[in-house]
Amino acid sequence: AQSVTQPDIHITVSEGASLELRCNYSYGATPYLFWYVQSPGQGLQLLLKYFSGDTLVQGIKGFEAEFKRSQSSFNLRKPSVHWSDAAEYFCAVGPNQAGTALIFGKGTTLSVSS
Amino acid sequence: DAGITQSPRYKITETGRQVTLMCHQTWSHSYMFWYRQDLGHGLRLIYYSAAADITDKGEVPDGYVVSRSKTENFPLTLESATRSQTSVYFCASGGVAGGENEQFFGPGTRLTVL
Repeated sequence: AQSVTQPDIHITVSEGASLELRCNYSYGATPYLFWYVQSPGQGLQLLLKYFSGDTLVQGIKGFEAEFKRSQSSFNLRKPSVHWSDAAEYFCAVGPNQAGTALIFGKGTTLSVSS
Repeated sequence: DAGITQSPRYKITETGRQVTLMCHQTWSHSYMFWYRQDLGHGLRLIYYSAAADITDKGEVPDGYVVSRSKTENFPLTLESATRSQTSVYFCASGGVAGGENEQFFGPGTRLTVL
């Protein structure tokens, strides 16, 4: 079955510390992978995406993610977290074909402490 | 302004009433989607549309009806609302046929069914 697992429901990180959010997927074909961020009361904003090429992808707001095919993972990282990064983060997978549904993980809520 | 908008942003209704959630996009994207977001479930696809007058069911379509008479609009109707349909509803649009599967999300509608 196709699925996305985000093992951490809630993570708290100190401001200025590094961050890694985990994402594992189960997908039968070549995956097209996404990370979205949702700030409180807002819609989903695309942080970054990966389909092919360099397995380390850069996104907006200083985020990056690394695709590891052998581990079926697409973890999101940021070297230094800012208080404004507090939000919910969703990993998603789908085919690289316009118009097909994305499969979302259940999300990880990030809290940032001062 | 270009983008994707949803209305209303907040709605409270009663069990058994009909409710229509509106979605409008200005990008001329071919594809449009409706997702619902529930705690512990992430986002799940309700319906999607490949073009005007072409719609199809997603993972959780029961109790919902969609139409797409114009490319830019994709309303979602709850014919007889139930408490289990209390949720946050996101509309998304993206892509053209043969293009990449990138989806852009609206701000969401928070629906409460009493």
